[in-house]
Amino acid sequence: EDKVVQSPLSLVVHEGDTVTLNCSYEVTNFRSLLWYKQEKKAPTFLFMLTSSGIEKKSGRLSSILDKKELFSILNITATQTGDSAVYLCAVEARGNNRLAFGKGNQVVVIP
Amino acid sequence: GAVVSQHPSWVICKSGTSVKIECRSLDFQATTMFWYRQFPKQSLMLMATSNEGSKATYEQGVEKDKFLINHASLTLSTLTVTSAHPEDSSFYICSARAFSGASGTQYFGPGTRLLVL
Repeated sequence: EDKVVQSPLSLVVHEGDTVTLNCSYEVTNFRSLLWYKQEKKAPTFLFMLTSSGIEKKSGRLSSILDKKELFSILNITATQTGDSAVYLCAVEARGNNRLAFGKGNQVVVIP
Repeated sequence: GAVVSQHPSWVICKSGTSVKIECRSLDFQATTMFWYRQFPKQSLMLMATSNEGSKATYEQGVEKDKFLINHASLTLSTLTVTSAHPEDSSFYICSARAFSGASGTQYFGPGTRLLVL
């Protein structure tokens, strides 16, 4: 069974801090790893990672994948209160297109 | 691009009624759509995989006669919660898979909050 573990499960930071979120996984026949941001509604797509060592960047967010050690990190620099959300990590296996989700990293950014 | 819509966004109904939720991919075709439910402070739980033109594949423990799924076209899948009961109250989210070469990205709809009285 595919397994995705995220840490820390929750954290509180001050505006301007940098946040690093971890996602480790076990999946048979890995295809991709995806990061989503979920506020009060459904998840919004952030990144899809398929190759090791290639950083994906969008504004203050960046993410990288290590397929040898089976983990990914999501970094948020210069955090703002609007970054408060649950960040979900999911992995997709080849063949069935299904996503296995972790429990999420709940981030609270206080002014 | 890659927008997925869901309708309705909110449903309040009496116990015993059936509720239909629509999921549409607005600017791409999706041969595969997925239905999830999410309880407060929990992660998404996959209910079923919906393939255009064929029967849905349900996850273990999900009753197919209770949660009817129809994927009639490449842009529309529907989930019908039949004879809804209070324990069916939840946040239902669909996603549609958009292809980019060999890999695909799942994009989520905004979700439907169902409250069964």
